Amino acid sequence: DSGVTQTPKHLITATGQRVTLRCSPRSGDLSVYWYQQSLDQGLQFLIQYYNGEERAKGNILERFSAQQFPDLHSELNLSSLELGDSALYFCASTPGGSGANIQYFGAGTRLSVL
Amino acid sequence: GENVEQHPSTLSVQEGDSAVIKCTYSDSASNYFPWYKQELGKRPQLIIDIRSNVGEKKDQRIAVTLNKTAKHFSLHITETQPEDSAVYFCAPNNNAGNMLTFGGGTRLMVKP
Repeated sequence: DSGVTQTPKHLITATGQRVTLRCSPRSGDLSVYWYQQSLDQGLQFLIQYYNGEERAKGNILERFSAQQFPDLHSELNLSSLELGDSALYFCASTPGGSGANIQYFGAGTRLSVL
Repeated sequence: GENVEQHPSTLSVQEGDSAVIKCTYSDSASNYFPWYKQELGKRPQLIIDIRSNVGEKKDQRIAVTLNKTAKHFSLHITETQPEDSAVYFCAPNNNAGNMLTFGGGTRLMVKP
């Protein structure tokens, strides 16, 4: 167990809908990273938050947004869902804001858009 | 951003053989070089990492070697076992808070 908690584990929804994925980092970690992993694909970095502020942005669609709350948990909001958004979404946490540290991954949320 | 490539994309070895996966990167400022293992349906987990002040690090059957001049680092697994079968990712990075780039992954299959 990495200490990073993601909910829900599975999410099934329809095209056009909006969902929220939640991530609680390891105790004491200030950074949260979000990744998308499509079937048999690599890990695509979406966005990083550090202590409540956006720190780095990857290939995140405009339909997607994220935030990190004062208690350091983070939410990834996906709207106007399309079939191609079906994927495994991981979050990871690190103690500091630098990418040059071990990433501790949650178990992921599997999103299926039908 | 960083361009990261892994080779090979798939690797099949016989149990007991060695496996080597190479990761090349473009950002000369990279100073942290981790390897992650992802078993089917599971989360990625760090298996070994190295920082730019050393050239090699070993942990039992696993080692990582770094060539900063040529901008590549490699994962070496000796005496492979079926439980080594997984996808392996590299993710070179530096201290600047820029976007993280993972390699495309290498699927290792160890045949008993």
